[in-house]
Amino acid sequence: AQKITQTQPGMFVQEKEAVTLDCTYDTSDQSYGLFWYKQPSSGEMIFLIYQGSYDEQNATEGRYSLNFQKARKSANLVISASQLGDSAMYFCAMREGYNTDKLIFGTGTRLQVFP
Amino acid sequence: GAGVSQTPSNKVTEKGKYVELRCDPISGHTALYWYRQSLGQGPEFLIYFQGTGAADDSGLPNDRFFAVRPEGSVSTLKIQRTERGDSAVYLCASSLNPSGGKDTQYFGPGTRLTVL
Repeated sequence: AQKITQTQPGMFVQEKEAVTLDCTYDTSDQSYGLFWYKQPSSGEMIFLIYQGSYDEQNATEGRYSLNFQKARKSANLVISASQLGDSAMYFCAMREGYNTDKLIFGTGTRLQVFP
Repeated sequence: GAGVSQTPSNKVTEKGKYVELRCDPISGHTALYWYRQSLGQGPEFLIYFQGTGAADDSGLPNDRFFAVRPEGSVSTLKIQRTERGDSAVYLCASSLNPSGGKDTQYFGPGTRLTVL
């Protein structure tokens, strides 16, 4: 079974609008971490935001926020006030438990922001 | 810059040849990771170093792949007898303080390996 599922291969959003990128995950661990990375066409993975499984508040980092719904095992990324520079691939990733540090990535969502 | 660096940025080789890919992590980061990203996919974990030792090499696909980090800083990923299926972008990441939690992995620009 897929550990991280990103069901949207591509998304379009108009500049200055908000957009939500979906991510669902599958784990039996109680302790885990969820990450979002941005990958522009240059190829480098850029860390955006982190949510721990025990965090009660949704994480926020500037224009990025994470809509964490633990019971539904979803960790959607919300980008507010989209900018043209937000056009990129976005990957959701999970670290399971405390005994591993490897990240498991989804297949990504390509976001295109248009004027 | 102070980020993770990887060399070469591009490597083209012939099937059956040996290649080495280098990663220079962020100064002071004790953990170093290698991932492989095939076209249209997310990165796939290969191996993780804590200091000089490989803490988890469960992602290495077979014994043609080997990685070292002899002094706990720079790491080299070595691929013997390359196959066309090894073509991918090889990403390196480093982190400051692993063992779970919020520790963030910072990625380099990757090495694009093409096996002809």
